[in-house]
Amino acid sequence: RKEVEQDPGPFNVPEGATVAFNCTYSNSASQSFFWYRQDCRKEPKLLMSVYSSGNEDGRFTAQLNRASQYISLLIRDSKLSDSATYLCAVNQAGTALIFGKGTTLSVSS
Amino acid sequence: DGGITQSPKYLFRKEGQNVTLSCEQNLNHDAMYWYRQDPGQGLRLIYYSQIVNDFQKGDIAEGYSVSREKKESFPLTVTSAQKNPTAFYLCASSMGGWDTEAFFGQGTRLTVV
Repeated sequence: RKEVEQDPGPFNVPEGATVAFNCTYSNSASQSFFWYRQDCRKEPKLLMSVYSSGNEDGRFTAQLNRASQYISLLIRDSKLSDSATYLCAVNQAGTALIFGKGTTLSVSS
Repeated sequence: DGGITQSPKYLFRKEGQNVTLSCEQNLNHDAMYWYRQDPGQGLRLIYYSQIVNDFQKGDIAEGYSVSREKKESFPLTVTSAQKNPTAFYLCASSMGGWDTEAFFGQGTRLTVV
């Protein structure tokens, strides 16, 4: 089993749609969690951190479920500019961020 | 401006040659990382360093080497022992510790012919 797994995608949605991505992690000792956005041929950029209580930033909501070992990202009212690859990342204490393979989102008009 | 600088952006090398990718940061971050990304794939960890003069192997360290002589710099050497070196290489840094996010440089696209 891979350490961090994501929905395979691609997700093709119309503008205004709500879309959700899930990410599971295998190491129960994982302590911090993040969502990154990566545009084509660019570096990943931090979208948001994920906390146990859940956190929201505008149209984006991230949730953590430690019992089931997954994190989620919800995007409401999708925009064309949301089209990108979304990577989840998990940090195990004292090491480095481990990334999933990413989920590609394509928003169309 | 604070940030992470990778150079060069594009690099071409002949098979069998070693090549060193540069990564410099002025964020005063303790930890630095190297990842490799292949088309359609996520990021795979090559090496990481939590402190100067110390570094650890990641998941795919074979065929690579690093050094961390200065806090600001973490160069990666792709050796001739790396069987499939053509990839997008990303350097990142963070404050260190378990709850800090990593910030990335713009990456180096290495093509070996």
